[in-house]
Amino acid sequence: GAGVSQSPSNKVTEKGKDVELRCDPISGHTALYWYRQRLGQGLEFLIYFQGNSAPDKSGLPSDRFSAERTGESVSTLTIQRTQQEDSAVYLCASSLWTDLPDTQYFGPGTRLTVL
Amino acid sequence: AQTVTQSQPEMSVQEAETVTLSCTYDTSESNYYLFWYKQPPSRQMILVIRQEAYKQQNATENRFSVNFQKAAKSFSLKISDSQLGDTAMYFCAFMSQGAQKLVFGQGTRLTINP
Repeated sequence: GAGVSQSPSNKVTEKGKDVELRCDPISGHTALYWYRQRLGQGLEFLIYFQGNSAPDKSGLPSDRFSAERTGESVSTLTIQRTQQEDSAVYLCASSLWTDLPDTQYFGPGTRLTVL
Repeated sequence: AQTVTQSQPEMSVQEAETVTLSCTYDTSESNYYLFWYKQPPSRQMILVIRQEAYKQQNATENRFSVNFQKAAKSFSLKISDSQLGDTAMYFCAFMSQGAQKLVFGQGTRLTINP
């Protein structure tokens, strides 16, 4: 079946503008995750959803960052008043919700560039 | 907080050789899970192999195997008979039992030369 998809693939914006990044998980996957990958770095956890609820938002770097998920499907990560340090690749992953640690299946990411 | 360290920023080997990527981690927990992910230029992270800390036997997946040393908190990845398609960034990752987030290392850029 189809994998995790993300849109847009690339986004260039000006400092101070708001951006929305979209993630479509694998059908039937109840858990959804957002990570950030700065240039040359590993991935940093931002937030995850179980269904439409977000039990762990501990990785969101500031109150400019927010995320929502609807219909236990698509999720949107919103960054308000973007700053240059927000430039990164934003990766989304999804997994089945089981008692064991799930394999997280990643999308191709959205490369965000803030000028 | 858990941390994951990959001490080799870059590695390069010839095709068909065996290569070992290092990973160490820091945790006070006894039950946890470890992963190796591959990230080719397409940016899509692909799971290579996973290990449950309570299992003493090292995980293997075809040409990929791990050397899990729990006491030393070490989790290295061995790639046998390396292929050009193995060229990618490799990330080691940690997950606590009961948690859902992955904690990643900084990555090792592996190049397989023809």
